Formats: sequence, C-alpha cells, structure tokens
Amino acid sequence: GENVEQHPSTLSVQEGDSAVIKCTYSDSASNYFPWYKQELGKGPQLIIDIRSNVGEKKDQRIAVTLNKTAKHFSLHITETQPEDSAVYFCAAREGFQKLVFGTGTRLLVSP
Amino acid sequence: EADIYQTPRYLVIGTGKKITLECSQTMGHDKMYWYQQDPGMELHLIHYSYGVNSTEKGDLSSESTVSRIRTEHFPLTLESARPSHTSQYLCASSEFGGRTEAFFGQGTRLTVV
Repeated sequence: GENVEQHPSTLSVQEGDSAVIKCTYSDSASNYFPWYKQELGKGPQLIIDIRSNVGEKKDQRIAVTLNKTAKHFSLHITETQPEDSAVYFCAAREGFQKLVFGTGTRLLVSP
Repeated sequence: EADIYQTPRYLVIGTGKKITLECSQTMGHDKMYWYQQDPGMELHLIHYSYGVNSTEKGDLSSESTVSRIRTEHFPLTLESARPSHTSQYLCASSEFGGRTEAFFGQGTRLTVV
C-alpha cells in the first residue's frame, strides 16, 4: 500500500520568510496529492491540491510542486504571516483508494 | 465551509461507559472516514465506508465500531470506554468519483477518566 513520509516535523520561520514542507510517496500509481492545514481546535482543511498530470500549481502565496519521477511533492509558502501558523499535512491517493496522510508538520511563524 | 458536523465537540466520560460519536454530512458524499489523531498530530485511519451498508476497518486497530445505515450519517461507538481511548476523533467525507478532496469535521475530543 501507499506510504507517505513528511519532513520536517516542526518548522519555525520569521514573518516574511518562505517555508517549504516536503513529502515523498511510495506508490507510483498515486495520482492525487492534497495539502491540508489544521488550526488549533479545528479539523484539517484543504488548502491546495495537485494531480499527477501537473508539475506545479500556485494559489496566491502557496504553491505545490510535484516530481513524479522522484515521487516527491512539496508545499511552498511565501511571505509567511503569523496566521499561517498551524499543522500542515500532505496526502496521496491512487484512483478511488483512500487518502494516505503524512505525519504532519507544525509550522510556527514568529512576528 | 464544509457541511460535515461532529457532535459532541468535547466529551469527558467514565471508564466502562458506552459512547457514540456522531458524524453527519449534507453533501451527499458516498465515502466517509473516521480518523484518530494522537497528540503528536499524526492521523490514523480507523474506519471507512464506501456507501450505505459498507464499513471497513482502517489501518489502525480500534475497539470502536461504526455503522452506515444512511448516506449522511456515520456514527462511531465504543461499547466500553477506557482511558486508552482518550484522543481526538475526526470524521471526514468525500465523493466516490469526480473531486477527491476529503472534507473534515471539527473533531470530537474524548477524555476517558
């Protein structure tokens, strides 16, 4: 089955800096890669996703890149703000199979 | 905002009690999931369903049980709660085809004393 590894587990940056979170997956058949943000006391919410026919996707300050050959994908947040502080999860899915989540990254943005 | 609701948000209960955590969604999604989230953040899939009368065990062994009698409702039951069941429980749903995004509820924080 699919296995997703996520790094780092914690990430501290200064406001305005960029943050990068990386994930690797094991199943080459996986074709859908979402990223979720979980704020304190809430459930995870989708912030961006990418499908395997696309190499990069951007939405304002966040972007995701996918390297199918190396089986890794990354979340990039530019111009970080304190409200970006949260736990971020990557995930991977093959077809109609269930999502497999990474172990999470706790991002702390200091003013 | 996702239309998926979990009740209660917080529950403190004594050992040995039977409890049911409720999860309902109004999006008509066929697939529903229960995750257990430990303090270290990691999400562990404990149950999932592909539709009415379909239930499967997830990757993490759990003493809980689930049922799916209606599309919109996916309750989780613990027959006899123990302190080891103390955790955050998250319910999610997604479409079977088309968009594959999973929508999460707010979670139920369960404490067994």
